Amino acid sequence: EVQLVESGGDLVQPGGSLRVSCAASGFTFDIYWMSWVRQAPGRGLEWVANTNHDATEKYYVDSMKGRFTISRDNAKNLLFLEMNSLRVEDTAVYYCGRGGAPGTVDYWGQGTLVTVSS
Amino acid sequence: DVVMTQSPLSLPVTLGQPASISCRSSQSLVHSDGKTYLNWFQQRPGQSPRRLIYKISDRDSGVPDRFSGSGSGTDFTLKISRVEAEDVGVYYCMQGTHWPWTFGQGTKVEIK
Repeated sequence: EVQLVESGGDLVQPGGSLRVSCAASGFTFDIYWMSWVRQAPGRGLEWVANTNHDATEKYYVDSMKGRFTISRDNAKNLLFLEMNSLRVEDTAVYYCGRGGAPGTVDYWGQGTLVTVSS
Repeated sequence: DVVMTQSPLSLPVTLGQPASISCRSSQSLVHSDGKTYLNWFQQRPGQSPRRLIYKISDRDSGVPDRFSGSGSGTDFTLKISRVEAEDVGVYYCMQGTHWPWTFGQGTKVEIK
């Protein structure tokens, strides 16, 4: 069974940093693209970043480029999102997703809440 | 960025009746490989998104056949043939053809 479990969400001050993680199981992690998507409270879904199977390709939404870094540890089946210079508007539930095929995500985790507030 | 526009944003439906959600993209979603990466996701209250449909009309395993997707180019539709109570939630279209991938605003389906 495919499982994605996010962790690391926390309350952070504006300008601070945080790393969230996604532990994958139930599938061969190192052959899949992986993604991060976020959802602000009461709002819709917003793409954050994608990475290919070996992290040689990474794509970011412009508003997060330079502040957020997607990475992965294929030996440990872990996906990461490093977030720097956090802003109040980055407050959201962050979901990791598995790229089951081109142009899509077929499984999502349960999400981890990041709150940016003073 | 490709803008995905859904309508309606709120859809009250009577149990057992059909429902239809429209999704229009600001540019063609036909990829250079010839495929169209248009997806539909369901998000039930308090839950993560769940993929229902990919590549316009391919239904995910375990998704009831009352859900169907159609369309082409820039114009797409999700149909529920007979709405059940468990279908309450927000439905999002999402394009995976052009980076950055983008979602529609979401359509909230509720029971009248």
